[in-house]
Amino acid sequence: GDSVTQMEGPVTLSEEAFLTINCTYTATGYPSLFWYVQYPGEGLQLLLKATKADDKGSNKGFEATYRKETTSFHLEKGSVQVSDSAVYFCALSDPNRDDKIIFGKGTRLHILP
Amino acid sequence: DAGVIQSPRHEVTEMGQEVTLRCKPISGHDYLFWYRQTMMRGLELLIYFNNNVPIDDSGMPEDRFSAKMPNASFSTLKIQPSEPRDSAVYFCASSFTGSMNTEAFFGQGTRLTVV
Repeated sequence: GDSVTQMEGPVTLSEEAFLTINCTYTATGYPSLFWYVQYPGEGLQLLLKATKADDKGSNKGFEATYRKETTSFHLEKGSVQVSDSAVYFCALSDPNRDDKIIFGKGTRLHILP
Repeated sequence: DAGVIQSPRHEVTEMGQEVTLRCKPISGHDYLFWYRQTMMRGLELLIYFNNNVPIDDSGMPEDRFSAKMPNASFSTLKIQPSEPRDSAVYFCASSFTGSMNTEAFFGQGTRLTVV
C-alpha cells in the first residue's frame, strides 16, 4: 500500500543553519505531496504542496521539489529561525486510493538561538 | 469559515467512563478524518468518512472505539469504556476532493487524559 517515510528526529540545529528533512514515498498512482507543520499545542497546518512531478512547493522560506524518479519530496530551508521549531510531517494524497491522506511519522525540529 | 472545530479542547476522565469527542468539519468538505497522536506512535489514522459514510476503520484500535457521522456537519468519536492508554491528542481533519489539490484542514485537537 501507499506509505510515507521520513527521517526520524529530533533534529537540532543552530539558528541560520541549513535544513533538510528527507521524505520518500510509495504510491501506486501519481499522488499529490504535502508538508505539514505542527507548532506546540496546535493542530497540523499545511506548509506547502506539489501536485505533479518536478513541481516545487514553497512557503515561509521552505521549499520541496516533487521528484518522481527518486520518489522523494525533501524539505529544505536555507536559514532556519528559532520560530521554525516544530514537528514536520510529510504526506501524500493518492487519487487511486480515494484521496486518503497518508502521513509520515513526523520529524521534530529544534532550533537553538 | 471558522475551520474545523473540535470540542472539548481538553478532557480529563476516570478509567471506565465513556468519552465523546466532537468535530464539525469545514462546510462543503466531503472527507472527514479522525487521528490520534501520541509521543510513542506519532500520528495514527483511526477512521475516515467520505460523504458521511465510513470508508476505512482499520485504524480503530479496539471495539471500545466507535465513530459516527450522522450528517455532513458533525462527527463523534466515542470511547467506551476509556482506559489510561487512550490518553492522547485526538485530531479531526476534513478535506475536499474536488481537485488534485486535496489538503487536509485540522482542528486544534482534543487532549484526552484518562486517569
